[in-house]
This record gives sequence, C-alpha cells and structure tokens, in this order.
Amino acid sequence: DQQVKQNSPSLSVQEGRISILNCDYTNSMFDYFLWYKKYPAEGPTFLISISSIKDKNEDGRFTVFLNKSAKHLSLHIVPSQPGDSAVYFCAASGSGTYKYIFGTGTRLKVLA
Amino acid sequence: DSGVTQTPKHLITATGQRVTLRCSPRSGDLSVYWYQQSLDQGLQFLIQYYNGEERAKGNILERFSAQQFPDLHSELNLSSLELGDSALYFCASSVGGLAGELFFGEGSRLTVL
Repeated sequence: DQQVKQNSPSLSVQEGRISILNCDYTNSMFDYFLWYKKYPAEGPTFLISISSIKDKNEDGRFTVFLNKSAKHLSLHIVPSQPGDSAVYFCAASGSGTYKYIFGTGTRLKVLA
Repeated sequence: DSGVTQTPKHLITATGQRVTLRCSPRSGDLSVYWYQQSLDQGLQFLIQYYNGEERAKGNILERFSAQQFPDLHSELNLSSLELGDSALYFCASSVGGLAGELFFGEGSRLTVL
C-alpha cells in the first residue's frame, strides 16, 4: 500500500522555466510533509517542509503548496537551474507516528 | 556534509551471509531511522530508534534487526542474505522523535552475489 505517491517518474524542464513536481497521499492522518533532493551517490538532502496548518511555504526559489482536501502537494522551483537536476522525493509524517513515508521519487532534468 | 556517518560505503558479500551496517547520527540527534532503497525504488522505511528505544517499525524483514547503543550510534544487522537484499541502505537522524527534518547519511551500498 503506497501511502505517498509520485506518479511522474521523470520530468524535463528548460532552464529558467518553472518545474512543478507533484505528490499525492492517501492517509488523512499525515500532517507534516517534506521534500528532499537526491544526487547520485549521495544521501537525500532536505529542501523544504510544510505543516498541515499552512497551505504554502516558500524558501527562495522553492515553494511547496499543500491542498489538504485533495491530499495533494506540489513543489515549485522557479527559475529552474541545471544544478536542480536530481531525484526529488516527497515524504509525509503524522501525529502519533514516528514514521516518515517517502514517495518513489521524480527525476528532474533541467536542460541548459 | 549532513553530519550523519555511515560505514561501510560499499559492501559485497554472498548469499546466506550476515553483515552489519553502522550509523553515527549528527551530534545531539536522538533519533535514528533506517531506510532501504532498491534499484529505482523509493525509500522504504525499515525502523526507527529514539534514545535507545525502538519507536516505529516499517517493512523490516525478520532476517533484519537493528539496535541503538547508549552512545546513540545504530547498527543494522542483515542475516541470511538473499540476492534481493542488494540495495542502498540509508540512515537518517533527527533531534526528536516526531515531526522535523531528517538528515541522511550517504548510504551503504550492499551487493549480494
């Protein structure tokens, strides 16, 4: 049972344009969401998070949007840069659970 | 550098063998998480420890076990290894047991031949 889904395995975007990565979840108990970026041969690194009391969180070029009714979150990267090319994972956690459940990842390629 | 140290970085062994993966969390972090990433798969949660106690369990096989020691480092033991156990094993740490950022190590790549 995949509680956190990233339905797009890959995405290609032109440099300078917006990258939009999507994530859906099924467990309504999730109330904290994170995005991680992973380069080859490295561990995932934290990008940005959002609590369910918010619907948007921004950090520089990265913005995460949360739509609780649709159980959907998205990560926007504007403008996209070649160095953003990596695999992006969304993760979710809920009150009373100590688990962080990760999606399967989306491979972003930013074309110069 | 996340501050989380995992050893060994690479390990090649044979089916039926047993291996131990080690993780040192960031200074001050009390929680340690273990994840498995098989080829082109997501990060599968295995187990979490907080200050020496098991806090949450995921899809961890009975052939696998883990512990967190008083100095807060953790070990993941994999026994009776099978070809399908070949994967990247990541350790992550966080300050507390609940919501917050996870800091990941670089992973231990296990190859079972």
